[in-house]
Amino acid sequence: EVQLVESGGDLVQPGGSLRLSCAASGFTFSGSSMHWVRQAPGKGLVWVSHISGDGRTTSYAESVKGRFTISRDNAKSTLYLQMNSLRAEDTAVYYCTRTRSFGPWGQGTLVTVSS
Amino acid sequence: DVVMTQSPLSLPVTLGQPASISCRSSQSLVYSDGNTYLSWFQQRPGQSPRRLIYQVSNRDSGVPDRFSGSGSGTDFTLKISRVEAEDVGVYYCMQSTHWPPWTFGQGTKVELQ
Repeated sequence: EVQLVESGGDLVQPGGSLRLSCAASGFTFSGSSMHWVRQAPGKGLVWVSHISGDGRTTSYAESVKGRFTISRDNAKSTLYLQMNSLRAEDTAVYYCTRTRSFGPWGQGTLVTVSS
Repeated sequence: DVVMTQSPLSLPVTLGQPASISCRSSQSLVYSDGNTYLSWFQQRPGQSPRRLIYQVSNRDSGVPDRFSGSGSGTDFTLKISRVEAEDVGVYYCMQSTHWPPWTFGQGTKVELQ
């Protein structure tokens, strides 16, 4: 069974940094592209970032480009999202998901940016 | 960027009755390989999103057959043949043909009348 477990969410001040992790199991991690998607409180789903299976290709939403960095450790079957220069508008539940068509999803981890 | 537009945004439903959600894209979602990468997701209250349908009409494992997806090009539909109480939640369409970015519809809230 495919499992994705996010962690690392926390309360952080504006301008601060945070690193999210997504531990994967039940599939060949290195063979799957991975994504981060976020959902602000009471709002819809927004794609944040993508990384190819070998880690060589990445892409970002314009709203996070230059501030967030996606990476992966295929030996540990773990996906990461390094978030710097955090803003109040980055407050959201962050989900990881896999493959081109986003199936399945983890349970999410909450990031709150507030002073 | 491809804009995904869902309608309606709110859908009151009656148990046992059919329901339908429309999703339109700002450009054709047919990819160069001939496939159409349009997916539907369900998000029940307090839960993570769950994919129901991929490539327009393929149901994911464990998804009840009362859910069906159809459409082509720029117009797509998710249908629930007979609504059950557990179907309450928000439904999103998403395109993964033209990326980045991957883009979602605004979401349709399905609630019992």
